[in-house]
Amino acid sequence: NAGVTQTPKFRVLKTGQSMTLLCAQDMNHEYMYWYRQDPGMGLRLIHYSVGEGTTAKGEVPDGYNVSRLKKQNFLLGLESAAPSQTSVYFCASRGSGDINYGYTFGSGTRLTVV
Amino acid sequence: AQTVTQSQPEMSVQEAETVTLSCTYDTSESDYYLFWYKQPPSRQMILVIRQEAYKQQNATENRFSVNFQKAAKSFSLKISDSQLGDAAMYFCAYRRSDMRFGAGTRLTVKP
Repeated sequence: NAGVTQTPKFRVLKTGQSMTLLCAQDMNHEYMYWYRQDPGMGLRLIHYSVGEGTTAKGEVPDGYNVSRLKKQNFLLGLESAAPSQTSVYFCASRGSGDINYGYTFGSGTRLTVV
Repeated sequence: AQTVTQSQPEMSVQEAETVTLSCTYDTSESDYYLFWYKQPPSRQMILVIRQEAYKQQNATENRFSVNFQKAAKSFSLKISDSQLGDAAMYFCAYRRSDMRFGAGTRLTVKP
């Protein structure tokens, strides 16, 4: 099925470890986004991309890096994980012509940093 | 920066009854989009309904409708004939360029 796929779905990290979350979409969407979801705070935008090779900061970018080397993939990296980065991470995408539509979301990655 | 406020952390409704979830937002823009998303325990984000700010007519999708008050910057969701499957977190979202979300309202449906 077409859509947004996130890997992994679950991960436990130790403080200081690094990891990369992968988001892949097969809808030829230009725009891709990374959000984190925390209880009582909704979804907050970490970074986003408006096209291959571009990235930009969102509301809460500190401690994260991203790359969009291929149009279909958007990677979120944690260089040195901290307990405050324990969260559920969502990737989303939309096409450039879908201006009045919502985003297509992945199913999320639950990350625990101990 | 745009902010989205959902003042009801939790709501409860009896099956077959009607419930309204509140949302207000802050913006200086005149052209934008508003959305309601549903998030069941599966964690999947499901688009429920959307509204273009330039349209005066309130959007409707089956049992779901909105009351969009542009001057008041209010965007409430009404769920009619509530069903057990409507139980979920509901997020209000605003989009001008990127999408910003409220903190969510957890809806419980009592049989």
